[in-house]
Amino acid sequence: QQPVQSPQAVILREGEDAVINCSSSKALYSVHWYRQKHGEAPVFLMILLKGGEQKGHEKISASFNEKKQQSSLYLTASQLSYSGTYFCGTELIISNFGNEKLTFGTGTRLTIIP
Amino acid sequence: EAQVTQNPRYLITVTGKKLTVTCSQNMNHEYMSWYRQDPGLGLRQIYYSMNVEVTDKGDVPEGYKVSRKEKRNFPLILESPSPNQTSLYFCASSLVGGPYYGYTFGSGTRLTVV
Repeated sequence: QQPVQSPQAVILREGEDAVINCSSSKALYSVHWYRQKHGEAPVFLMILLKGGEQKGHEKISASFNEKKQQSSLYLTASQLSYSGTYFCGTELIISNFGNEKLTFGTGTRLTIIP
Repeated sequence: EAQVTQNPRYLITVTGKKLTVTCSQNMNHEYMSWYRQDPGLGLRQIYYSMNVEVTDKGDVPEGYKVSRKEKRNFPLILESPSPNQTSLYFCASSLVGGPYYGYTFGSGTRLTVV
């Protein structure tokens, strides 16, 4: 039930855009996104709940398509500080509610070069 | 400062020697969880706790024990560590379980079992 992230790694030049995808084989109640810099703990970015809501702050946003059981993270005009590994975490639906367990994908390594 | 504190940061031990990794949070969070991170496998949940005295297994609980006697503390116990438990461990907490709040992670504990 681990979500599948794609791509596994991406290299961008500063200012370019990136999309990271997270797909599940089961119905989702929520999707979390985190960023982890090398040698540090993951840091929470945002949560999306079922309902197709799109959220974001500054140049990082995300969408959640519950019918397709997938979420996408959009990084616009990337900055050097965006480098790191991005993880999605998914919560499954159990009887119309979340199962209160967050299962993470294997991560997408994003490298931004000047 | 609101934080999750793990100790120790680094630990090298021998097979079979019982050890405890401590986790403490100062945010009055009800939900706490332990994850292990291994290359290519992402973050995998070991155990989680919805509140004091309430714990449940995650996806990889074998070889681990936890307890939640107080709200702020959630220690991870390895009764008889084996080399396959060599990993990077993260403790995380959230205001409550479920989809509405992000997780705050500790700085991690790198465990090596020889």
